[in-house]
Order: sequence, then C-alpha cells, then structure tokens
Amino acid sequence: GESVGLHLPTLSVQEGDNSIINCAYSNSASDYFIWYKQESGKGPQFIIDIRSNMDKRQGQRVTVLLNKTVKHLSLQIAATQPGDSAVYFCADGYFGNEKLTFGTGTRLTIIP
Amino acid sequence: GAVVSQHPSWVICKSGTSVKIECRSLDFQATTMFWYRQFPKQSLMLMATSNEGSKATYEQGVEKDKFLINHASLTLSTLTVTSAHPEDSSFYICSARDGLQYNEQFFGPGTRLTVL
Repeated sequence: GESVGLHLPTLSVQEGDNSIINCAYSNSASDYFIWYKQESGKGPQFIIDIRSNMDKRQGQRVTVLLNKTVKHLSLQIAATQPGDSAVYFCADGYFGNEKLTFGTGTRLTIIP
Repeated sequence: GAVVSQHPSWVICKSGTSVKIECRSLDFQATTMFWYRQFPKQSLMLMATSNEGSKATYEQGVEKDKFLINHASLTLSTLTVTSAHPEDSSFYICSARDGLQYNEQFFGPGTRLTVL
C-alpha cells in the first residue's frame, strides 16, 4: 500500500448499507494482499487476504477485489453494522516473504 | 488461538530514560516477530524484523542502537527504546508469524509510549 501522509480518508455509511473501501498499492511485484481492521487503541485485526492469482475472494460479509492492471484493491463490507466502525488498512507483500507494506488507511464510520 | 500480547499497554516516561516493551505469542511459537510504529492518524511503519536467536533486521532509517530488539525465545521479543525523547512518542505494535501458517501475522494490541 501507499502510505501517503497525514490525511486519513474517511467514509461514512448508513447502518445496513454496503461499504466499499479502496486502496492503491505501488509495488507491481507484490503478490499477496491483506485487509486489516484497526479499532481505536488496538492492534490490527486480520479480515481477509488474496493472492495475485485471484481477482476476487469472499468471506463472511466481506469481499476483496484485486485489479492488478491498475494496482488497486478494494474491500466490500455488506450490511454494515456499528461494530464495523474502525480504520481499515490494506497491506501488500510477497507470499513467502513476511514483510508487509501498509497503506494509508481509511476510517469507516457507521451511522446508526 | 493465535494470540499476541504486549506489555505494557501504555507507558509514560521522562526524556532520556529507556523503556522496554514486551511482545509475547501466547499459544504458538513465533519464529519471526515484527515491530511497527504508528503515529496518530498514520499507517503502520515497519521498524524491524526479529528472528529468534539472531540479530534483528532493521528498516532503512531506523536506528538500531536506539531501538534495541531481542528475540531470545520463540514466544518473546522485546523492544527497548533507549534514551527516549518526545519525538519517540508513538504507538508501538508487534506482530508474530505462526510458523505453521506461513504468511499470516498476528498483531498485538499495541503499546502507547509517551515521552515527556
């Protein structure tokens, strides 16, 4: 991911609606991508991952889409709940190599 | 399973003192642990990679003599911030890799360091 500075993008979504969080990464050689959720004052929590041989992967209420052509990753959260409010980070790296590069992060706020 | 703890969760110290932060994998053996720093409203920046029984590998720009890392066992890594200054105030987060799940890292809850 690209860590581009102090401005944390924000997204506000009505409870029950779907949300889409986007991320751009810079390393075209990255082949492994992860989405993390970080609540205030806590460490990141794994949400879902995807390898570069896939362009879509689904989990429980979450879907990750990967577009390698434009180096873009997105996280879709279905039927958002108040507990989804957090900062979401994408991270990229090489599968088999442990180092990850984290993106800037997006603060998601769920409006009751 | 796969729980990583950090101690302390927060610490306030005077400028010039040293602070030690512990990172433990509670229910698995972590051959590799990572230390990150996160400033307010910013992303996680990798500081160093710590492998059990060997010297840590530091990222460019991270002073190894200031941020001492020890990974003496498969369940414990420590980060010591030496001669801390106010600009070292940050949220320090460790993660540990489960050797059985090759690529997955499990993150600790973080340690908030405030240097006065």
